[in-house]
Amino acid sequence: GAVVSQHPSWVICKSGTSVKIECRSLDFQATTMFWYRQFPKQSLMLMATSNEGSKATYEQGVEKDKFLINHASLTLSTLTVTSAHPEDSSFYICSARIIQGALSTDTQYFGPGTRLTVL
Amino acid sequence: GENVEQHPSTLSVQEGDSAVIKCTYSDSASNYFPWYKQELGKGPQLIIDIRSNVGEKKDQRIAVTLNKTAKHFSLHITETQPEDSAVYFCAAAHGGGADGLTFGKGTHLIIQP
Repeated sequence: GAVVSQHPSWVICKSGTSVKIECRSLDFQATTMFWYRQFPKQSLMLMATSNEGSKATYEQGVEKDKFLINHASLTLSTLTVTSAHPEDSSFYICSARIIQGALSTDTQYFGPGTRLTVL
Repeated sequence: GENVEQHPSTLSVQEGDSAVIKCTYSDSASNYFPWYKQELGKGPQLIIDIRSNVGEKKDQRIAVTLNKTAKHFSLHITETQPEDSAVYFCAAAHGGGADGLTFGKGTHLIIQP
């Protein structure tokens, strides 16, 4: 149990275009999902908290108009990088917080990540 | 906000020996401390976590200890195996795990055969 998927696993886009990344909890419902960014050989940095049915909460320094988050259902959150630029190239990873089921509550399970390269 | 320091950045041990990774946190309100293992190009995998109401937790070859007074926690891996080689991250959060995680900078664990 506690499987989180992301799609796509990698994407290459041109500067100025928008890219959507999906995060799904496959075998549990998640009212809360989180989005992190990881640059090469660095740690994970929390970007935003995504709550089902409400607006996302962004960390200081993260542009909400650039990184659009939608959490339309208990199993899906999407991150759209708008007007992407080369400096947005990074590894984007989501996590989902378990709220019910046989596994422990209040535990975050991570997806496999999405590698974004902006040319 | 929370700040998590992790040491060492690289740790090389002989197969079969033990490995210890240490983290300190700054926010006394943090009460949830997970450890993740990340292999190259993959997402982090939860290996063990501890909450502030206990001082130690063990799962087979892996154990975590927490000292709330000193605000530090450690990961212990015994009888290391080649498949233990990876980057390990400690993290801290409020709300018993309900909030976003603040990560340490990671430890690259290398198991020498």
